Amino acid sequence: GQNIDQPTEMTATEGAIVQINCTYQTSGFNGLFWYQQHAGEAPTFLSYNVLDGLEEKGRFSSFLSRSKGYSYLLLKELQMKDSASYLCAVMNSNYQLIWGAGTKLIIKP
Amino acid sequence: DTAVSQTPKYLVTQMGNDKSIKCEQNLGHDTMYWYKQDSKKFLKIMFSYNNKELIINETVPNRFSPKSPDKAHLNLHINSLELGDSAVYFCASSPLGFSGANVLTFGAGSRLTVL
Repeated sequence: GQNIDQPTEMTATEGAIVQINCTYQTSGFNGLFWYQQHAGEAPTFLSYNVLDGLEEKGRFSSFLSRSKGYSYLLLKELQMKDSASYLCAVMNSNYQLIWGAGTKLIIKP
Repeated sequence: DTAVSQTPKYLVTQMGNDKSIKCEQNLGHDTMYWYKQDSKKFLKIMFSYNNKELIINETVPNRFSPKSPDKAHLNLHINSLELGDSAVYFCASSPLGFSGANVLTFGAGSRLTVL
């Protein structure tokens, strides 16, 4: 079967750094996405990785290792508004998006 | 100038009723989707349309019927509503149906509660 695993919940402190991991097993690979979803709102696109390595975008970075079936989202200088769920999704060889259940990130002052 | 808009935002109804959710996108995208997000927060694809043509139809009860009158609209009609249909339904669109870098833009969601 195909599955995406990510921690259910994480807690971090304002101003700190947090790393949210995602491991995947899919039939083929055409890229990995990270989306942010605030409570009661729509998911919004954060990042896309298709090649191994680190993609940096401001305070957010996303890393991919295809050989390990592994990605992480790194959030620096955490702000209260970063409290949200972070969804990992992988596009398989049929161009279908397989979604994880999301990691709820709680930021404490 | 909302990119993907869906209505209604909230829907409370009785078991057995029929209801519709409408979705429109003004991004000029070719592909539109319906997703269901249950209480466990998994996003599950239900349907996908590319230029008004159905391309993905996951294992969804046939009480759910999508309709795409044009590539900017994708509506969802649900017959004989059941308690298990309670969820948030998200409409989404993307520029490319079959491409790796296929970024989805989601609507705000429609929270359906079946009593």
